[in-house]
Parts: sequence; C-alpha cells; structure tokens
Amino acid sequence: DVKVTQSSRYLVKRTGEKVFLECVQDMDHENMFWYRQDPGLGLRLIYFSYDVKMKEKGDIPEGYSVSREKKERFSLILESASTNQTSMYLCASCLRNTEAFFGQGTRLTVV
Amino acid sequence: EDKVVQSPLSLVVHEGDTVTLNCSYEVTNFRSLLWYKQEKKAPTFLFMLTSSGIEKKSGRLSSILDKKELFSILNITATQTGDSAVYLCAVENFGNEKLTFGTGTRLTIIP
Repeated sequence: DVKVTQSSRYLVKRTGEKVFLECVQDMDHENMFWYRQDPGLGLRLIYFSYDVKMKEKGDIPEGYSVSREKKERFSLILESASTNQTSMYLCASCLRNTEAFFGQGTRLTVV
Repeated sequence: EDKVVQSPLSLVVHEGDTVTLNCSYEVTNFRSLLWYKQEKKAPTFLFMLTSSGIEKKSGRLSSILDKKELFSILNITATQTGDSAVYLCAVENFGNEKLTFGTGTRLTIIP
C-alpha cells in the first residue's frame, strides 16, 4: 500500500514562529504536492514538485516555501507563521499520470 | 490559470435517492480528471478519467467525462448514509504536472 505520512496531526504555533511541515512517501513518486483546505474554499495548491530539488508555485504560495532535497520527502515551511495560516494542510504524491495519494493532514493552529 | 468548478456546493438527499455531482474545468493542457471522496481526513481516490464518453463504474458510483464540453459528472445510485462525504474533483495538467482541485460538493444522506 502507498503510504504518505505527515509528521504531525495537530500543531499549535505562535505568530512569527518558523514552522516546518514534513511529508514522506514510500512509493518512489515523482510528484508531490502541498495543499491547504479551508471551509468553503476546497483544496488550494500551495506548492508542488515534480522532481528532487524542483519546485513550482501553486495558486497561493505567499508566506510559504518548500524544500525537496530527497525524492521521498517534501517539506512545507512557514517562514513567519501568521493567524491566517491556521488551516488543515494536506500533502499528496503520485507517479506521473496516476492518481494522487494523500497524507492524513496536519491541522495547524497559529495563535 | 487552471480552474475547476463543482456544483452544487452542498446537497442533502434521502437514503435511496440518486444524485449527480458536476465538475467543469478549464485547463491549459488537460491530462486527466480525478474524483475523490473525503470523509474525515485524507481524500480517497474514486476514479480517473482521460477519455470522453467512457463510463467508469464502481458499484453504485459511476462517472463520465466530456472533453468537448469540459465537464464530468459523478453519479451515485441508491444512496446510503455511508455516502455522506465531500466529493472532490481535480484536473491534472499535462504540461507542468499541476493537480488543481475544485471546492468540493458536500453530500449529506438522510436516513
């Protein structure tokens, strides 16, 4: 079974903190994605990566950065967390032209 | 910019009813359309559609794609309370590997 693992299920951080969300997949997938999900807005793409060290901005990259140093790991970084970044964060991965598999999500609260 | 629009945003029906969920899209370089079901946390994959007019079926769920009119429908017959979930539609961009989701349809089945 494909496994996409997000490092934390719940996180509470203070405004201004640097926050790291980690995602690891064990199926040698080329593509990895970070989304945030908010009520009424669906899944919005923050960043994605189609290869090691490659990254592409999604639809809402402001306030975020990413790192993909190894194929299996895709990290989302909030450089200086703000309250409007309180959300559910979902990581996904896939091979090209196949369905994406999701992690269980990280519910981040910024206070 | 790639765009996915789902309708209705929410739907409440009685057990046993048949429902049709809609997904329309605009994408610069279409590769595939995917349907997911999200109950609690991670979305789970239902269908991937790449060709027009070919129905995909799994039990009481079926889906079809119209690449000329740029939409897809997801049908659920003889609905059950376990079908209550958010149904997400996504399109994959062939050119840049981007996977864009719609806002989802929240389906509630009343016993």
